[in-house]
Amino acid sequence: QVQLVQSGSELERPGASVKVSCKASGYTFTDYGMTWVRRAPGQRLEWMGWVATDTREPTYAQAFTGRFVFSFDNTITTAYLQIFSLRAEDTAVYYCARKVRGLYYFDYWGQGTLVTVSS
Amino acid sequence: EIVLTQSPDTLSLSPGERATLSCRASQSVSSNYLAWYQQKPGQAPRLLIFRASTRATDIPDRFSGGGSGTDFTLSIIRLEPEDFAVYYCQQYGSSPYTFGQGTKLEIK
Repeated sequence: QVQLVQSGSELERPGASVKVSCKASGYTFTDYGMTWVRRAPGQRLEWMGWVATDTREPTYAQAFTGRFVFSFDNTITTAYLQIFSLRAEDTAVYYCARKVRGLYYFDYWGQGTLVTVSS
Repeated sequence: EIVLTQSPDTLSLSPGERATLSCRASQSVSSNYLAWYQQKPGQAPRLLIFRASTRATDIPDRFSGGGSGTDFTLSIIRLEPEDFAVYYCQQYGSSPYTFGQGTKLEIK
């Protein structure tokens, strides 16, 4: 069965960076893109963008350009979200989710990773 | 950007009853590209419905989606205890792909 298992919670200082992982199993990794979704405290879910696992091309939503990087290692079927120069407002739960081919809804999700940015 | 507004924020019902959740878009959703997700505390969201009315794999037929344009609904007949959760709608007709704020379905 399809599973996306994310790395554990992170506590980071402002200005640091963090890398969240998302281990995929149960399907051919390069057949589906991987998307990232954020939920900040008290906010609604927010689509961050996605990475095409066949072409390696990332697409970032406007609010997530510059400090956010999507990557993956298809040899270990793992996708990554890196956030640089962390700010307090980056505190959120980050989800990876498998993107359906050709469309932008998400059929399997990871359990979420809480990233807390605090001094 | 399309803003999705879900109503009500909280719905209190008893097992066996019928739930009707609403999702209204600020502009027409292209091709009725609207999805519904269920999320329970500490769990990953689960896809229920896509393209407004198509049930995802292994979703029971007590869940049904409807609507078009700007007004969409998720109906759950004969509520089971495991159905009490938070439900989100999402439009994927135009970027950025946006989500509603969620409706919490709680046991009365």
